[in-house]
Amino acid sequence: QKEVEQNSGPLSVPEGAIASLNCTYSDRVSQSFFWYRQYSGKSPELIMSIYSNGDKEDGRFTAQLNKASQYVSLLIRDSQPSDSATYLCAVKRRGFGNEKLTFGTGTRLTIIP
Amino acid sequence: EADIYQTPRYLVIGTGKKITLECSQTMGHDKMYWYQQDPGMELHLIHYSYGVNSTEKGDLSSESTVSRIRTEHFPLTLESARPSHTSQYLCASSAPGSGNQPQHFGDGTRLSIL
Repeated sequence: QKEVEQNSGPLSVPEGAIASLNCTYSDRVSQSFFWYRQYSGKSPELIMSIYSNGDKEDGRFTAQLNKASQYVSLLIRDSQPSDSATYLCAVKRRGFGNEKLTFGTGTRLTIIP
Repeated sequence: EADIYQTPRYLVIGTGKKITLECSQTMGHDKMYWYQQDPGMELHLIHYSYGVNSTEKGDLSSESTVSRIRTEHFPLTLESARPSHTSQYLCASSAPGSGNQPQHFGDGTRLSIL
């Protein structure tokens, strides 16, 4: 079992709809969770970070964390064609001196005009 | 806004050459990382550093080496490039403080070994 799992997609969503991206992780001591967006041929760009159970909203983006279920998701409201990209889930374990992130393989999202 | 710079952006070079990929950040970040990513594939951590004179190998074995003599500079070196080293190399950094600091990425170096 991979430490961080994402559905590779592709996930196709009509423009204006809500895109829902999911991520599960295996290590219960994980403490910090990040969503990155990566356009083809570009480097990852941080979109959201979340550390506590519940929802965190930033503009059209909402991150949701459920530590009991070891599940983190990203919702994109009013999806735009510019949201078409690969979305990477990254997880950091709790532990002094451990600052490494474990990345999922990414979900490729396509917004259909 | 993260200020992390990688040079060169693209490099095409012959087998056997020594290569150094540069990475610098101007944010005073103590932690820096090198990742390798093939097109359409996942990120693999190959090296990281938590401060000056501190370097560690990452999760993916790599023939490259790194150094951290200055806080802002984290170069990656391949002593003798081979076609198997063809990939995109991404440098990242994160701020002091434990726990919740995200990593910020440079634009990457796309390396092709002929």
